[in-house]
Amino acid sequence: AQSVTQLDSQVPVFEEAPVELRCNYSSSVSVYLFWYVQYPNQGLQLLLKYLSGSTLVESINGFEAEFNKSQTSFHLRKPSVHISDTAEYFCAVSFTSYGKLTFGQGTILTVHP
Amino acid sequence: DTGVSQDPRHKITKRGQNVTFRCDPISEHNRLYWYRQTLGQGPEFLTYFQNEAQLEKSRLLSDRFSAERPKGSFSTLEIQRTEQGDSAMYLCASSPQSYEQYFGPGTRLTVT
Repeated sequence: AQSVTQLDSQVPVFEEAPVELRCNYSSSVSVYLFWYVQYPNQGLQLLLKYLSGSTLVESINGFEAEFNKSQTSFHLRKPSVHISDTAEYFCAVSFTSYGKLTFGQGTILTVHP
Repeated sequence: DTGVSQDPRHKITKRGQNVTFRCDPISEHNRLYWYRQTLGQGPEFLTYFQNEAQLEKSRLLSDRFSAERPKGSFSTLEIQRTEQGDSAMYLCASSPQSYEQYFGPGTRLTVT
């Protein structure tokens, strides 16, 4: 069965520390990978995506994710987090040609001063 | 570009009542999706429209649920005879024939 697993439900870190949010998927077909962020009381916002090409993708606010086909992973990283990065992060995978998304359970990132 | 809008943002209803939600996608986005998100979980796919055609429905979408997208523009999601288990955030997303989906703010349904 096709599935997405986010290995950590909560990740607390201190400001300016590095962080990695883990995402693994299970699939026997080609996939398209996404990270969405949900700030408190707001909707889902697309953070970054992997469709093809370079396996390392970056967002405008310093996050990056690397597609690892052999390990079926798409972990999200940031070398130095800010208080404003506090949010819930969702890994999502499209296993279909028309874009239906399967989401992980979400990881709550809390950045402490 | 005004983004995806949803109405209402919050709905409180009594068990057994019918409710209808509306989604207005980004103009010219021909793909429209509905998802449901419960507390502590990621969104779960409910249904998908390509223009006005409903092309896939999840098994989560019982016969009490119906969705329409007349004329391929806005969409409505109706829940008949609501149950407490229907309490959730209902999310709408649209896409311009690509893999990027743009989400609306959601409609939070509380069934008492």
